[in-house]
Amino acid sequence: DTAVSQTPKYLVTQMGNDKSIKCEQNLGHDTMYWYKQDSKKFLKIMFSYNNKELIINETVPNRFSPKSPDKAHLNLHINSLELGDSAVYFCASSRVRESPEAFFGQGTRLTVV
Amino acid sequence: AQSVTQLDSQVPVFEEAPVELRCNYSSSVSVYLFWYVQYPNQGLQLLLKYLSGSTLVKGINGFEAEFNKSQTSFHLRKPSVHISDTAEYFCAVTEFSNDYKLSFGAGTTVTVRA
Repeated sequence: DTAVSQTPKYLVTQMGNDKSIKCEQNLGHDTMYWYKQDSKKFLKIMFSYNNKELIINETVPNRFSPKSPDKAHLNLHINSLELGDSAVYFCASSRVRESPEAFFGQGTRLTVV
Repeated sequence: AQSVTQLDSQVPVFEEAPVELRCNYSSSVSVYLFWYVQYPNQGLQLLLKYLSGSTLVKGINGFEAEFNKSQTSFHLRKPSVHISDTAEYFCAVTEFSNDYKLSFGAGTTVTVRA
């Protein structure tokens, strides 16, 4: 029944590693997002996909690469992890033409050590 | 470009007392406005939204907010809070566009005490 689900919920990894976070939505939405919440709880958009097409790519290091295999999935791959990448990453989805509010997943807490 | 300012970073309040969280936005075009709540170690849950129509909007858990275009504000209120309302509250804005990305305020921590 979960509307927007992310895996894993917690991720602890060493600097330099490559990791992925997966996101799936079962709401039939056409747009999916990745947001980053830093240690001060500030939320900022990273990427957005509409019908598998990248429409937002904020100022994010090239080490971050989103991939959308279909409208229901948006994964985030991070290469060469750095200490500063530690944050909570939220996936969200919306059906922008009909109702612009975003529905959020539970978040993935990434800790780079 | 759109932006949001939440005027209070922390709001302590006693149980059953009223609470108001202030939010101002900046945009050169028409906007949609939202309030989200984040309970500890959880995701964001939509409390309420203003898309159009009546400027007073009601949301879940007894919250309401009023859109004031002239003052570019969207303040959140609840007449009587419960311990369970202790959480982080975020005001967000999105402009009429093709992407509807949300810009969030810095958040307001509400702590309800008995």
